[in-house]
Amino acid sequence: AQKITQTQPGMFVQEKEAVTLDCTYDTSDQSYGLFWYKQPSSGEMIFLIYQGSYDEQNATEGRYSLNFQKARKSANLVISASQLGDSAMYFCAMRETTTGNQFYFGTGTSLTVIP
Amino acid sequence: NAGVTQTPKFQVLKTGQSMTLQCAQDMNHNSMYWYRQDPGMGLRLIYYSASEGTTDKGEVPNGYNVSRLNKREFSLRLESAAPSQTSVYFCASTRGLAEISYEQYFGPGTRLTVT
Repeated sequence: AQKITQTQPGMFVQEKEAVTLDCTYDTSDQSYGLFWYKQPSSGEMIFLIYQGSYDEQNATEGRYSLNFQKARKSANLVISASQLGDSAMYFCAMRETTTGNQFYFGTGTSLTVIP
Repeated sequence: NAGVTQTPKFQVLKTGQSMTLQCAQDMNHNSMYWYRQDPGMGLRLIYYSASEGTTDKGEVPNGYNVSRLNKREFSLRLESAAPSQTSVYFCASTRGLAEISYEQYFGPGTRLTVT
């Protein structure tokens, strides 16, 4: 079974609007970490935000927030006030304590911001 | 502080040729990783090294070998390149398992074409 599932291959959002990128995960660990990365067309991988499984509050970093629903095993990325520079691929990833040093990545969502 | 560096940036090989992709990090990270990225498939782990002196197979290790030369350097070798190994290769590093919240840092990638 896939550890990380991103079901939206492509998304469009109007500039200045908010957008939610979906991510569900599969683990039996109690302790794990969830990460989102951005990959612009230039190709580099940029870390955006982290959520720990024991964190009670949803993580926020500027315009990025993570909607963490532990019971549903979802960790959706919310981007507020979209900008043209947000157009990129977005990857959700998980790190478990039992498999420790491996990071599992989803297949990504391509976001296009429309002016 | 260069972060994670990879060489070369681009490479074209003929089927059957061999080559080594080099990766180095200057952040004193314990763990290092090699991924390949193919369209629609996200990042797939080839090999990783949890700490100096150890290496482990990831999801797609066939056709590759790795060497953790020292704490800084982690190389990926293709012994006999095949067209199926045409991909973008990323090296990444992070702190050890004790710091599960720590993100991976990625190199700029190597675009490899096998003809």
